[in-house]
Amino acid sequence: AQKVTQAQTEISVVEKEDVTLDCVYETRDTTYYLFWYKQPPSGELVFLIRRNSFDEQNEISGRYSWNFQKSTSSFNFTITASQVVDSAVYFCALSEGRSNDYKLSFGAGTTVTVRA
Amino acid sequence: DTEVTQTPKHLVMGMTNKKSLKCEQHMGHRAMYWYKQKAKKPPELMFVYSYEKLSINESVPSRFSPECPNSSLLNLHLHALQPEDSALYLCASSPGTAIDYGYTFGSGTRLTVV
Repeated sequence: AQKVTQAQTEISVVEKEDVTLDCVYETRDTTYYLFWYKQPPSGELVFLIRRNSFDEQNEISGRYSWNFQKSTSSFNFTITASQVVDSAVYFCALSEGRSNDYKLSFGAGTTVTVRA
Repeated sequence: DTEVTQTPKHLVMGMTNKKSLKCEQHMGHRAMYWYKQKAKKPPELMFVYSYEKLSINESVPSRFSPECPNSSLLNLHLHALQPEDSALYLCASSPGTAIDYGYTFGSGTRLTVV
């Protein structure tokens, strides 16, 4: 069963528009971590944020913001005033708290294209 | 140094060749990982090394052979690969294997098997 669902395959916006990426996760654990990674065309996975299951505070970092809602098992990511350099594939990932299971379960990814 | 360095960046090999991918980190991380990523797909875990010992093998075919010579180095030896093994191979490291550690990824090796 898919543990992390990113329903949006591709999103295309014009520069300066806001874009929100959806992430829905599934776990039976009470302790888990959620991540967002950015993968530009160069291939490297760039860490953006880590959030643990006990911290539901939303977070803002520059133009990036994250909305974590345990009630809906969602961890959505918003880019405000998008720029061309934001064009990349964005992955949401889950790490669960079961013993010996520290693997990252990735969503399918959302390709964001920002047009000038 | 906060990077994971992978070499080579690109590799083209024949199905009868033997080659190796190299991954290096100097952050003192004790867990290192190999992931395989096909085009337009998320990364898939292949191997996990914890304190230089292989702790996870995700049922990877024996034509892929990992090696961890020391805490900073991780190799992936390739032999008799198939064209379907063409992919981006990503190395990652983390301070440990507890779930709360973040992962640092390298930029990958783009492998093409001809």
